[in-house]
Amino acid sequence: EVQLVESGGGLIQPGGSLRLSCSVSGFTVRDNYMSWVRQAPGKGPDWVSVLYIDGKTYYADSVKGRFTISRDTSRNILYLQVNSLRVEDTAIYYCARWGGYGYGLDYWGQGTLVTVSS
Amino acid sequence: DTQMTQSPSTLSASVGDRVTITCRASQSINSWLAWYQQKAGKAPKLLIYKASTLENGVPSRFSGSGSGTDFTLTISSLQPDDFATYYCQQYNGWPWTFGQGTKVEI
Repeated sequence: EVQLVESGGGLIQPGGSLRLSCSVSGFTVRDNYMSWVRQAPGKGPDWVSVLYIDGKTYYADSVKGRFTISRDTSRNILYLQVNSLRVEDTAIYYCARWGGYGYGLDYWGQGTLVTVSS
Repeated sequence: DTQMTQSPSTLSASVGDRVTITCRASQSINSWLAWYQQKAGKAPKLLIYKASTLENGVPSRFSGSGSGTDFTLTISSLQPDDFATYYCQQYNGWPWTFGQGTKVEI
């Protein structure tokens, strides 16, 4: 059974950092395209980043230079290092598997809430 | 960036109704469009990808059509489980972008 479980969210002050984790079972992060999507309260989803099988990464302009996507293939975990947090980064952060070119985000975790507030 | 505009924002319907949601892209995205359903407190669920391909396990009352800039999601006969918010998403290029959502309510 496929499962994605995020953790690492919480209340953090502006300028702070967190590392979000997505523990995956049922498939390997090494052999799949993985993504982070966030959703601010009452808003639609907002794509954040993607990690290709070959290690290539892409980021939304709003997080470029502040967020870093990575993976630990030995533990089958996807990460999102979030630095220099801003109030507008407050959202539920979801990890998801991207099926690859032509496909959608087919498996999602339950999300982890990041609240940036002083 | 490619802007995705959905209409309507809210749709009132009854069980058994045929429902159509529209998504328009600000530039051509070929057929690189997905539709998701989201219920309160849950993650989005993939319904359709490549504009018209039904994801495994999704009921056949859901269908998608369109290419280029104009797309539709149709629910042929609305069921109680279908009351939710629906989002389109383009993945033609970076950054991927979502529509603002269509809430289907009673």
